[in-house]
Amino acid sequence: NAGVTQTPKFRVLKTGQSMTLLCAQDMNHEYMYWYRQDPGMGLRLIHYSVGEGTTAKGEVPDGYNVSRLKKQNFLLGLESAAPSQTSVYFCASSSPGGGSNQPQHFGDGTRLSIL
Amino acid sequence: AQSVAQPEDQVNVAEGNPLTVKCTYSVSGNPYLFWYVQYPNRGLQFLLKYITGDNLVKGSYGFEAEFNKSQTSFHLKKPSALVSDSALYFCAVRDQGTGGFKTIFGAGTRLFVKA
Repeated sequence: NAGVTQTPKFRVLKTGQSMTLLCAQDMNHEYMYWYRQDPGMGLRLIHYSVGEGTTAKGEVPDGYNVSRLKKQNFLLGLESAAPSQTSVYFCASSSPGGGSNQPQHFGDGTRLSIL
Repeated sequence: AQSVAQPEDQVNVAEGNPLTVKCTYSVSGNPYLFWYVQYPNRGLQFLLKYITGDNLVKGSYGFEAEFNKSQTSFHLKKPSALVSDSALYFCAVRDQGTGGFKTIFGAGTRLFVKA
């Protein structure tokens, strides 16, 4: 029972490089989310998706793009990495059941350092 | 606007003693409230949630939380702490009226349980 799987687990980039973080879930969840976690700031929502082919901006979307071409996958892209994007990135998914009172299921994170 | 406050960065408790991790929230409508736990190098794991009904909610690993509408609080409690409870705890809120897509997380409280 994999749940939410994130790849890669670690990555070091140079300023200006690009990369894509992959999130895959096997729970048939409609909703998927990308967060960043920084010390003392909790989790901040970057982008989210309420279904295949749809995406929306969260609290801190600048510098990131996302795509949800398949229901089970949610990709986060950094087109031109900046040191301010050094963070731990978490993907999560949830079901819309119960009027959206369902908890989120999280992956184990991608630790990204931008030099 | 939604917000969550966890007033304590760290809570220290001796094994066997009761523990409380505090959380207060602000939403314009009725809240869905959640507690999550994070162990080192792992994603957040769901502990419990409040939707409606009884103010005392029971969750995983012997944890419970008390919803207090007048004080807008949702404190996490456990009658007898274990060393293995040491982790980072996050309170989170969703406004039921917003469609449930956006969850606001607190900054987290680190719990240390001493043997």
